[in-house]
Amino acid sequence: DIQMTQSPSAVSASVGDTVTIACRASEDINTFLAWFQQKPGKVPKRLIYATYRLQDGVPSRFSGSGSGTEFTLTITSLQPEDLATYYCLQHRHYPFTFGPGTKVDLK
Amino acid sequence: EVQLLESGGGLGLRGGPLRLSCVGSGFLFRNYPMNWVRQAPGKRLEWVSAISYIGGDTYYADSVKGRFTISRDDSRNTLYLHMNNLSAEDTAVYYCARNDHGDYGVFDYWGPGTLVPVSS
Repeated sequence: DIQMTQSPSAVSASVGDTVTIACRASEDINTFLAWFQQKPGKVPKRLIYATYRLQDGVPSRFSGSGSGTEFTLTITSLQPEDLATYYCLQHRHYPFTFGPGTKVDLK
Repeated sequence: EVQLLESGGGLGLRGGPLRLSCVGSGFLFRNYPMNWVRQAPGKRLEWVSAISYIGGDTYYADSVKGRFTISRDDSRNTLYLHMNNLSAEDTAVYYCARNDHGDYGVFDYWGPGTLVPVSS
């Protein structure tokens, strides 16, 4: 099975900061990588698919990059409503696997 | 508007069965692959199972293989998860999630989830 790791596990940032979350796959997954945002007590929401494609309605301050085994989610100019846990997901091979999550909160 | 709604959650007995359902609306259900994803309290999301849009192909996480069965009834726009031999580790919120068309269309819509606590 493909293992997914994320770093950091948590980050505290101020409004307006740029936040970068890294996701690593244990083997090459091409660009079969998606990012999800989950606010406390809420349903996960897809932010980015195919590594860099922004889901309709998602603010352009979110962006994704990478390929192969190394991927990044960047939040430019962090907003209070971005406080959440972010998960990466590989869907190159079954079983699909999520990363452990990165919790973003306000400093 | 695409909507997914799970039901069937509730207290499951250790070693016992439980069946979850997910009804889809606002889209042509039969044309879309579907998934179950779960989240144990305070834990990461875990993909559980997937079924192709024709229903001929099914996939399972190792943690549920041999105990859970995914199926669909396209005449009822309904996805099922038949769970057997429940264990405490199956305690989680279970979400159904749709795959959009194309290779990259994973989990574009989710249901609100249904809680399955497993007790002895």
